Amino acid sequence: DIQLTQSPASLSASVGDRVTITCRASQNVYNYLHWYQHKPGKAPKLLIYAASSLRSGVPSRFTGSRSGMDFTLTISGLQPEDFANYYCQQSYSLSTFGQGTRLEIK
Amino acid sequence: EVQLVESGGGLVQPGTSLRLSCAASGFTFDDYAMHWVRQAPGRGLEWVSGINWNSGDITYAASVKGRFTISRDNARNSLFLQMNSLKLEDTAFYYCVRDIGASYYFDFWGPGTLVTVSS
Repeated sequence: DIQLTQSPASLSASVGDRVTITCRASQNVYNYLHWYQHKPGKAPKLLIYAASSLRSGVPSRFTGSRSGMDFTLTISGLQPEDFANYYCQQSYSLSTFGQGTRLEIK
Repeated sequence: EVQLVESGGGLVQPGTSLRLSCAASGFTFDDYAMHWVRQAPGRGLEWVSGINWNSGDITYAASVKGRFTISRDNARNSLFLQMNSLKLEDTAFYYCVRDIGASYYFDFWGPGTLVTVSS
């Protein structure tokens, strides 16, 4: 099974900050890596697909990138509504999610 | 508007069965593969099972293989998850999700239904 390791597990930041969340795959998943935002009590939302493609309707402050088996989600200029949990997911071999990153207000 | 609404969750004892349903609307159901994803309390997301548009390709996570069965009824725009031999560790919110293009990533999610397995 492909494992995804997210870091950090939690992160405190302020409105306006730039934050980066990393996801490392245990084997090559090519660009089959996607990012979701999940707020408590709500359905998760797809933000980025295929490593770096922004889903329609998602603000451009969200960007995704890949370097080998390392993937990054960057949020530039944090907004109050961005404080949530974030998950990476691979779809190269069936599907697995990272363990999540909790983004909290400092 | 795409809508996915799960039902059938509840409190059950270990070793028993439960059947979840998902009613889909707002899109052509049989154009899409569908999946179940769960989240145990305080834990992350876990993909459970997927089914392609005509039920010809069905997959399961190792943790549920042999106990859970996914199915769909395209005439009724419905997705199902039959869960047998339930374990304490199956306690979770179960989400019905739409696959963007049989690609195992998900563009719409239902609000979820809670399954609690407890003695």
